[in-house]
Amino acid sequence: DTGVSQDPRHKITKRGQNVTFRCDPISEHNRLYWYRQTLGQGPEFLTYFQNEAQLEKSRLLSDRFSAERPKGSFSTLEIQRTEQGDSAMYLCASSLGWALTSGTDTQYFGPGTRLTVL
Amino acid sequence: AQSVTQPDIHITVSEGASLELRCNYSYGATPYLFWYVQSPGQGLQLLLKYFSGDTLVQGIKGFEAEFKRSQSSFNLRKPSVHWSDAAEYFCAVGGGAGGTSYGKLTFGQGTILTVHP
Repeated sequence: DTGVSQDPRHKITKRGQNVTFRCDPISEHNRLYWYRQTLGQGPEFLTYFQNEAQLEKSRLLSDRFSAERPKGSFSTLEIQRTEQGDSAMYLCASSLGWALTSGTDTQYFGPGTRLTVL
Repeated sequence: AQSVTQPDIHITVSEGASLELRCNYSYGATPYLFWYVQSPGQGLQLLLKYFSGDTLVQGIKGFEAEFKRSQSSFNLRKPSVHWSDAAEYFCAVGGGAGGTSYGKLTFGQGTILTVHP
């Protein structure tokens, strides 16, 4: 396994612009998660995919945020009309997750994308 | 709702000293518990996990943690700290089988470990 990869590693944008992040999970992992981490805090859950289906979204995920996982492989997270409050590290994680109700299994995290909104 | 509390924001120890990082969780059913470590600007690396069975679990880099259901705790320990252990440590809780949490993790706010030579 090559691990979870994320692109870009860093993104600087101006307020009001749209940004898109990509996450490539470990191959054959069925579950994919997005988390957001602000300075001095632990990661906070944003959304979760079981294969291509987006099954849960946190209330942190406003309507400016959208995530996709076409064909159950890589995922993208788009933020429209960015605000300074969106500045954070966006972490992606994947896990095997064979069954919907199999509970939490080991999540492997990518290096994250650091977003700075000016 | 599930939650995790890490009471110590910052801990400083001398190299070679023992270490204990505290973690208390709140979860309505059987919890699955994890400790992750994060170096500056990096993602999270799994140290160890508890799903069931023996309440003392061993992890990588010489770390261990003990699950105490009566105290809702999952403290991380290491008998002798190395300078390379300096990092931020996160405790996390997830849901057991049959639940509706879909496996998402709830993290504590982290403990920053500084190691003095």
